[in-house]
Amino acid sequence: DAGVTQSPTHLIKTRGQQVTLRCSPKSGHDTVSWYQQALGQGPQFIFQYYEEEERQRGNFPDRFSGHQFPNYSSELNVNALLLGDSALYLCASSKLAGASSYNEQFFGPGTRLTVL
Amino acid sequence: GQNIDQPTEMTATEGAIVQINCTYQTSGFNGLFWYQQHAGEAPTFLSYNVLDGLEEKGRFSSFLSRSKGYSYLLLKELQMKDSASYLCAVRDGRYSTLTFGKGTMLLVSP
Repeated sequence: DAGVTQSPTHLIKTRGQQVTLRCSPKSGHDTVSWYQQALGQGPQFIFQYYEEEERQRGNFPDRFSGHQFPNYSSELNVNALLLGDSALYLCASSKLAGASSYNEQFFGPGTRLTVL
Repeated sequence: GQNIDQPTEMTATEGAIVQINCTYQTSGFNGLFWYQQHAGEAPTFLSYNVLDGLEEKGRFSSFLSRSKGYSYLLLKELQMKDSASYLCAVRDGRYSTLTFGKGTMLLVSP
């Protein structure tokens, strides 16, 4: 089992550009969540995808958008990049469970985005 | 919304015991997680509490008091490899999304 995989590992962009990050969930998982982790901070929830739809969204602007494909993989797109978007972007996958069920999220290694 | 507070840094000696505290204020609660994150790596799951009390897992234990909005992670027999950031995260009541604290950087010295 390859676990959660993300690509690319590192990325350098300039302000105003657009970026697409990719995530493949752990085998058997159907839900993908994206987090942004700035240096020295905890991960901040961006959004979650299930059945190819955005199920919940954190406090991030519309410049951040995503997609989930039929094979459960997901993309995170960020438009009009700002210097403040420099961070580690983490993808986490899980198996959808009821609100009362234990449902561990497994994290990928992340994509380090640097905006110059 | 959620507010999660944990100390920024802690230091301890190899072989010792350390307790990392976490307090939270949430509008919805369905479990508290602890993750370990080494520099440049992804967070890895350590423990989960949804009911009050202590959960023990080898050298690691986690405690939860829902009425006090309080949890702690206890690490015993510290090893150098335990030097890492420890993240406290609360799960949303409806979905499995997590709200993280800023993390506690633990440095274990010889």
